Amino acid sequence: ETGVTQSPTHLIKTRGQQVTLRCSSQSGHNTVSWYQQALGQGPQFIFQYYREEENGRGNFPPRFSGLQFPNYSSELNVNALELDDSALYLCASSQGQGYTEAFFGQGTRLTVV
Amino acid sequence: AQSVTQPDIHITVSEGASLELRCNYSYGATPYLFWYVQSPGQGLQLLLKYFSGDTLVQGIKGFEAEFKRSQSSFNLRKPSVHWSDAAEYFCAVGPARDYGGATNKLIFGTGTLLAVQP
Repeated sequence: ETGVTQSPTHLIKTRGQQVTLRCSSQSGHNTVSWYQQALGQGPQFIFQYYREEENGRGNFPPRFSGLQFPNYSSELNVNALELDDSALYLCASSQGQGYTEAFFGQGTRLTVV
Repeated sequence: AQSVTQPDIHITVSEGASLELRCNYSYGATPYLFWYVQSPGQGLQLLLKYFSGDTLVQGIKGFEAEFKRSQSSFNLRKPSVHWSDAAEYFCAVGPARDYGGATNKLIFGTGTLLAVQP
């Protein structure tokens, strides 16, 4: 177990709705990254937060947004859900700006109908 | 462009047989290299990583991988597979340089699904 927890584990939303996914980072970690893993694919980098600021973003539209809180936990928000947003969303926490090992949570399985 | 290729989508091996999963990357410099394992419905667990130094890296669960710069490869090996090794395996490189100032971000391959026959 990595100490990274995500909630909820599963949820179902309707197209056009908004969703918020949550991640508690491992103790001592100040960097959180979010990844989207579509069925049969590898994870794709969405964005990263370091000390409450977004410091990098992958090829995802602005309707994917996030927050990081003073305790370094994080939220991923997705507006105007589309069917293609159905995926496993993974959160990874790490320490600092230089590369260190990232520890992944169990993920949130989002289904958009 | 940075990318990772895992040529084998699905591999089946017999329990006790040896295993090699292939990974090729395109990076433009010496990357950090990783192998992760994912059981159904689960997150990713790090098996091993290469940052620098010895090109043969030992990981958990009896896995090892060899970095070959000339072939841009980082293949994962295990001498004797156990039924519990059945899972999906992802090779990843980092840090990706295309995503602004973010460090610590990975580019993953599409994965190799390993099945183990009794």
